[in-house]
Amino acid sequence: AQSVTQLGSHVSVSEGALVLLRCNYSSSVPPYLFWYVQYPNQGLQLLLKYTTGATLVKGINGFEAEFKKSETSFHLTKPSAHMSDAAEYFCAVGPPNTGKLIFGQGTTLQVKP
Amino acid sequence: DTGVSQDPRHKITKRGQNVTFRCDPISEHNRLYWYRQTLGQGPEFLTYFQNEAQLEKSRLLSDRFSAERPKGSFSTLEIQRTEQGDSAMYLCASSLGAGRYTEAFFGQGTRLTVV
Repeated sequence: AQSVTQLGSHVSVSEGALVLLRCNYSSSVPPYLFWYVQYPNQGLQLLLKYTTGATLVKGINGFEAEFKKSETSFHLTKPSAHMSDAAEYFCAVGPPNTGKLIFGQGTTLQVKP
Repeated sequence: DTGVSQDPRHKITKRGQNVTFRCDPISEHNRLYWYRQTLGQGPEFLTYFQNEAQLEKSRLLSDRFSAERPKGSFSTLEIQRTEQGDSAMYLCASSLGAGRYTEAFFGQGTRLTVV
């Protein structure tokens, strides 16, 4: 079985500050891990994914995440927040053979001017 | 190709009525997924198809829900005898599955409100 826990349902940062969104997972098989972003009344857009290989993954819009097996974590970071980063962020885990995703409950990122 | 398309974008229905949603995946994508997202929650997996075969259904998909994907192209999700608890965003996604993971692209969703 697989599950995802996102720590913190709301995160607020100032523009230009570091963004850190936390995600821990549970998986009985080697996981594929994902971060998606969702803007109001929109679908989900893939930010980045980890499948195999390099544990530091770079994505779109300056985001990156590091897969840490020993900590079962896949935290999302961005060095400098921009107002346009304000959105809902979802961490997800998936088995490699189906493409089905198990999502966390989401973290709302607020960016203050 | 402009991506995954869902229709309608919004649906308001009275409790007890039947509703049907349509999803057009990215052409050539053989896998199609349906998710449900309630307010303040992450999407929950409902079902997925590989071509026309429905390979997995979540226990969330009660007998009132049925999904089809005739000819492996577009898909429909029907909810019979809607209840207020069915109010949610219904998301469709598609991917090109070939024994390894490829990115799932999501549509903009259909927001259902049951009154």
